[in-house]
Amino acid sequence: DVKVTQSSRYLVKRTGEKVFLECVQDMDHENMFWYRQDPGLGLRLIYFSYDVKMKEKGDIPEGYSVSREKKERFSLILESASTNQTSMYLCASSSGTGGDEQYFGPGTRLTVT
Amino acid sequence: AQTVTQSQPEMSVQEAETVTLSCTYDTSESNYYLFWYKQPPSRQMILVIRQEAYKQQNATENRFSVNFQKAAKSFSLKISDSQLGDTAMYFCAFHQGAQKLVFGQGTRLTINP
Repeated sequence: DVKVTQSSRYLVKRTGEKVFLECVQDMDHENMFWYRQDPGLGLRLIYFSYDVKMKEKGDIPEGYSVSREKKERFSLILESASTNQTSMYLCASSSGTGGDEQYFGPGTRLTVT
Repeated sequence: AQTVTQSQPEMSVQEAETVTLSCTYDTSESNYYLFWYKQPPSRQMILVIRQEAYKQQNATENRFSVNFQKAAKSFSLKISDSQLGDTAMYFCAFHQGAQKLVFGQGTRLTINP
C-alpha cells in the first residue's frame, strides 16, 4: 500500500514561532508537494519539489520555505508563524511521468494563536 | 494561468440517487489531464477518476463516470446509485505540465439515508 505520512495531525503554535511540518513518502516518488486547504478556496500549491534539493514556488509561497534533503522527505517551514497561516496543510507525492495520480497525506491542521 | 471552477459549494441527495457535480476549467492547451479527487471526512484525499484530454471517450470507474466536453471546457462527475460512503468533499483538478495540479474550490456532497 502506498503511503504518505505527515508528522502531526493537529498543531497549535504561537505567533512568531518557527514551525516545521514534515512529510514522508514510501513510494520512491520524484515529485512532492505542499498544499494549503482553506474553505471555499480549495487546495492551493505552496511549493513543490521534483528532485532532491530542488524546489519550485507554487501559487502562494510567501511566508513559507521548504527543504528536501532526502528523496522520501519534504519539509514545510513557517519561518515566523502568523495567524493568517492557520489552515489545513496537505502533503502529496507523485511519480515523474505526466498526468500521474498524486497521493496525499492525512493533513496537518495548524492553528496559530 | 489555468483556473478550475466548481460552482456548487454543497449538494445533498438521498441514498441510491444519481448526482452530478459540475466543474469548468480554463486553458489554452490542447493536451492535459483532468481529475476528480474525493476527501472523506477526516480521511485522506484519494483519486476518484482521471480523464486524458486527447481521449474522446469519457472515463468510468464503477459507479463514477465523467462527462467531458472539451470544447465547452466542462468536466462533470456523475455518481450513480449513491452510497453513504460517498459523503465527502469532491475536488476537480487540472494538470498540464510540470506535474502540478490546479484545484477547484470543492463541492461538499452529503448522501442522506
